[in-house]
Amino acid sequence: SAVISQKPSRDICQRGTSLTIQCQVDSQVTMMFWYRQQPGQSLTLIATANQGSEATYESGFVIDKFPISRPNLTFSTLTVSNMSPEDSSIYLCSVPDRVNEQFFGPGTRLTVL
Amino acid sequence: QKEVEQNSGPLSVPEGAIASLNCTYSDRGSQSFFWYRQYSGKSPELIMFIYSNGDKEDGRFTAQLNKASQYVSLLIRDSQPSDSATYLCAATNFGNEKLTFGTGTRLTIIP
Repeated sequence: SAVISQKPSRDICQRGTSLTIQCQVDSQVTMMFWYRQQPGQSLTLIATANQGSEATYESGFVIDKFPISRPNLTFSTLTVSNMSPEDSSIYLCSVPDRVNEQFFGPGTRLTVL
Repeated sequence: QKEVEQNSGPLSVPEGAIASLNCTYSDRGSQSFFWYRQYSGKSPELIMFIYSNGDKEDGRFTAQLNKASQYVSLLIRDSQPSDSATYLCAATNFGNEKLTFGTGTRLTIIP
């Protein structure tokens, strides 16, 4: 399976600030996904990051709040903008490996004060 | 309306017994189903996936799919304390790799 790393692993931020999360994969992948897991909840898809095109956002998530970059086939960033305490979550990137198998990075645990 | 539903538990099972985890889905367009295990503070790790009706076995794990009943299950044989985790069921539609997750079932194996 692909090896996925994320930076930072955790951060504590002040409200109103922004944080950019990086996701690096050890192989080229067409699609990368960004998920959010709020405390005690399951995972919710934020957006699909496609190389060479705009990210596709799910209902309830907008580009101004969660801008995404995908400069190449092994890297993506997710920015959480103008943060509020409600943004405190674990943010995870994932990539499909072989057919039908999707793997997750270690996650970024964000706390907004 | 939730698309993938799981009993949140907690489910307690004695060590060595069979743990049975269940999941139902509402979208008949769902094609592939995944079971992930998530330890506290960790990211989900893929246990197995299934897309054909019937059973699929991998070591101590067996996934079962019944598309007519829109039902997916995961059986864990010879449960070990290390199996204590939250188990997430997820589904994708044909040609779409986006995962829709259930809320997860918290499983505790009692020594």
